Amino acid sequence: EVHLVESGGGLVQPGGSLKLSCAASGFIFSGSAMHWVRQSSGKGLEWVGRIRSKANNYATTYAASVRGRFTISRDDSKNTAYLQMNSLKTEDTAAYYCTKASYDSRGYYHDYWGQGTLVTVSS
Amino acid sequence: QSVLTQPPSVSGAPGQRVTISCTGSSSNIGAGSDVHWYQQLPGTAPKLLIYDNSNRPSGVPDRFSGSKSGTSASLAISGLQAEDEADYYCQSYDFSLSDYGVFGTGTTVTVL
Repeated sequence: EVHLVESGGGLVQPGGSLKLSCAASGFIFSGSAMHWVRQSSGKGLEWVGRIRSKANNYATTYAASVRGRFTISRDDSKNTAYLQMNSLKTEDTAAYYCTKASYDSRGYYHDYWGQGTLVTVSS
Repeated sequence: QSVLTQPPSVSGAPGQRVTISCTGSSSNIGAGSDVHWYQQLPGTAPKLLIYDNSNRPSGVPDRFSGSKSGTSASLAISGLQAEDEADYYCQSYDFSLSDYGVFGTGTTVTVL
């Protein structure tokens, strides 16, 4: 059974940093692309970014709203993905979900989601 | 601003059929990208409901069905049940954006 468990959320001041972790099990982590999706309270889903597998050179892509501030990485030996968030803004306050994605020639979908971890950016 | 538009809310009585539209454009759904649907029950994480336009993952009741035509897609819920009250999001891939999938604006389904 697939499990994704996020951790590392909390309260941080504007301009601060935070690193989220996503521990995975139940599938071949090293062969899977991992994504981060966020959701502000009462709002919709916003894709944050993704990291592909070693076979795809660990390629990363980010949403324009976080590009240059957030970095996604992974440690395949620990079956864990990370989201390093720097220069945080109040508008980054949200629940952050990691997802496993399945790809085909016509795009991809998020077939498994973690339970989410809450990040609050406030002074 | 999402490039996939959904109605903010739909409602129906138990047992009725409701549909949720997801309107895209020639750079996403109309370009041949598949559409996927997620269900988010109150206070929980989203869950994959429909993938590749019309396929249901194991465990999803066949009351849920998806379709795609032109630049739009639809999710239908037949035999609406109280437990279907949730937020629903479509998602697709937009070729004009740098390699990422986009989510729809979301629809809240209320069971009357």
